[in-house]
Amino acid sequence: GAVVSQHPSWVICKSGTSVKIECRSLDFQATTMFWYRQFPKQSLMLMATSNEGSKATYEQGVEKDKFLINHASLTLSTLTVTSAHPEDSSFYICSARNGQNYEQYFGPGTRLTVT
Amino acid sequence: KNQVEQSPQSLIILEGKNCTLQCNYTVSPFSNLRWYKQDTGRGPVSLTIMTFSENTKSNGRYTATLDADTKQSSLHITASQLSDSASYICVVRAQSGTYKYIFGTGTRLKVLA
Repeated sequence: GAVVSQHPSWVICKSGTSVKIECRSLDFQATTMFWYRQFPKQSLMLMATSNEGSKATYEQGVEKDKFLINHASLTLSTLTVTSAHPEDSSFYICSARNGQNYEQYFGPGTRLTVT
Repeated sequence: KNQVEQSPQSLIILEGKNCTLQCNYTVSPFSNLRWYKQDTGRGPVSLTIMTFSENTKSNGRYTATLDADTKQSSLHITASQLSDSASYICVVRAQSGTYKYIFGTGTRLKVLA
């Protein structure tokens, strides 16, 4: 079946630093990848949609200069949280959409803690 | 407006009991509906996927139903186990150019011994 991986699974960083999260589709080509953010006891909130080779589309209220998304290949997208602050601490989940059947497959998530 | 609503928000049951979770949606045009299980600190895992023409689909102790006329779905869990404690999310995919996924807010299930 379709597998999506994320790396790292958890990360702790100091306030003011930047952290990069990778999302990979392991056995299919993902023309589109999605980045979600999830706070405790809440559902997933879509942050941005990225299409391979083009700029990401951000949801309202999400700062594009703070959450940099790169989708350079059909199997890899990265989310960089720049100048992280404690309020950026959250669970970040990516999903990849199969370019053939348009189904989305979710990664296992990355827990970010900013101290 | 495309929306997916789930009830109850949370549920506590004893091990071995059955339970049913509800999902109502207003997404149109409709493509398919999925139920996901999300353990704490993990990504969502698909349990069932149902298209317009399907009324019932089972996956082990999980049985999902879909009434496309009333735009309602349910997830029935039989003989619950402690490992069923998780959030269950109903997600509807729109049949549109963006094929967008619309997420419900989820039901948090706690199974007690």
